[in-house]
Amino acid sequence: NAGVMQNPRHLVRRRGQEARLRCSPMKGHSHVYWYRQLPEEGLKFMVYLQKENIIDESGMPKERFSAEFPKEGPSILRIQQVVRGDSAAYFCASSPTGTRSYEQYFGPGTRLTVT
Amino acid sequence: QKEVEQDPGPLSVPEGAIVSLNCTYSNSAFQYFMWYRQYSRKGPELLMYTYSSGNKEDGRFTAQVDKSSKYISLFIRDSQPSDSATYLCAISGGSSNTGKLIFGQGTTLQVKP
Repeated sequence: NAGVMQNPRHLVRRRGQEARLRCSPMKGHSHVYWYRQLPEEGLKFMVYLQKENIIDESGMPKERFSAEFPKEGPSILRIQQVVRGDSAAYFCASSPTGTRSYEQYFGPGTRLTVT
Repeated sequence: QKEVEQDPGPLSVPEGAIVSLNCTYSNSAFQYFMWYRQYSRKGPELLMYTYSSGNKEDGRFTAQVDKSSKYISLFIRDSQPSDSATYLCAISGGSSNTGKLIFGQGTTLQVKP
């Protein structure tokens, strides 16, 4: 049973380009969370999605960042016009529904480097 | 004041020692308490998951929650070099929380052979 899958694992973008990060949740999980880990900082929540719905985006920067979780296919975190400060590890987590929704299982992360 | 405080360490212990890792939190409404282990350049791995107060044991690991003091702990018995990693506490729950996890900064642990 595959865990949470993220791709690409490493992504290099020049300033001003777009970055697209993908996340496939564990089988049977319908909740997806995105977190960002900046160097020397802890994990920070960005956004929580269910299929076709954004539930909580309180941690998302107001500009350039967007996320979706379509009916079919992976969840995507999109960063437009990247800047050096976007360089970080981006982790996706998924959880089951119901009373176990707080059990979040993380993927291996995508390490974004902006040059 | 941060919602979750965790001493970043580093913490260095000899193999076989008992390790105590701790976090404090500020909002008494939180109900779910997690410990994650993260090896260098890997994703966090869920170790323990506790709802409300009390103890939970899993092999060499014991998680404790004291809601009256807003204090959570992870104990590792008979520590091994393979336990060397960063340990992250995380909390969630409460009426205004949608399920997002709020993480401590993480404590780096080194177990020396």
